[in-house]
Amino acid sequence: DTAVSQTPKYLVTQMGNDKSIKCEQNLGHDTMYWYKQDSKKFLKIMFSYNNKELIINETVPNRFSPKSPDKAHLNLHINSLELGDSAVYFCASSQGSTNTGELFFGEGSRLTVL
Amino acid sequence: GDSVTQMEGPVTLSEEAFLTINCTYTATGYPSLFWYVQYPGEGLQLLLKATKADDKGSNKGFEATYRKETTSFHLEKGSVQVSDSAVYFCALSDKRQGAQKLVFGQGTRLTINP
Repeated sequence: DTAVSQTPKYLVTQMGNDKSIKCEQNLGHDTMYWYKQDSKKFLKIMFSYNNKELIINETVPNRFSPKSPDKAHLNLHINSLELGDSAVYFCASSQGSTNTGELFFGEGSRLTVL
Repeated sequence: GDSVTQMEGPVTLSEEAFLTINCTYTATGYPSLFWYVQYPGEGLQLLLKATKADDKGSNKGFEATYRKETTSFHLEKGSVQVSDSAVYFCALSDKRQGAQKLVFGQGTRLTINP
């Protein structure tokens, strides 16, 4: 039973399109994250939600809009896709109140913009 | 801002060799420090952590010691195996409002040859 699951795993699309990536965790955690990993493997945080409230937003373009309908889900919608959006997007979760830093990551969603 | 610097990869070793991957950090305060590992096609998973100065984290034969005086957290293993081939990320945590913002190094790709 996958703890943090993301869909789709692979996404190939044209520039200018709008796409969404979904994430669900069954660990009972109250905090979820989106990280972006570029082609050189650099990992950077994009967003974090704690109990459905946005608490970290790291200067990500407005074209990226996260949505957390409940504590177990954090979806990422991207408008007007650009070539530079090509990357692997990782969802993660943690128990915010007691956690000492362990995040549980999904397997990643590889987005390719043509 | 906080940052993490790892030794450049890729690193290629023979089985049973000694491994060191260097990691240094810059941070205000006293962050927790982590090593995460990413096996091919998978998400990141926590390998080990240390939450205060002089703590030693260990797991699966890997060790790292939190050195405040040198702001370092080098990863070591006495005898590597082919199955250790992966990308290794050093990270520090900055906890905000219940969320763990992990700042990652650039990752070091390790390949172990039989």
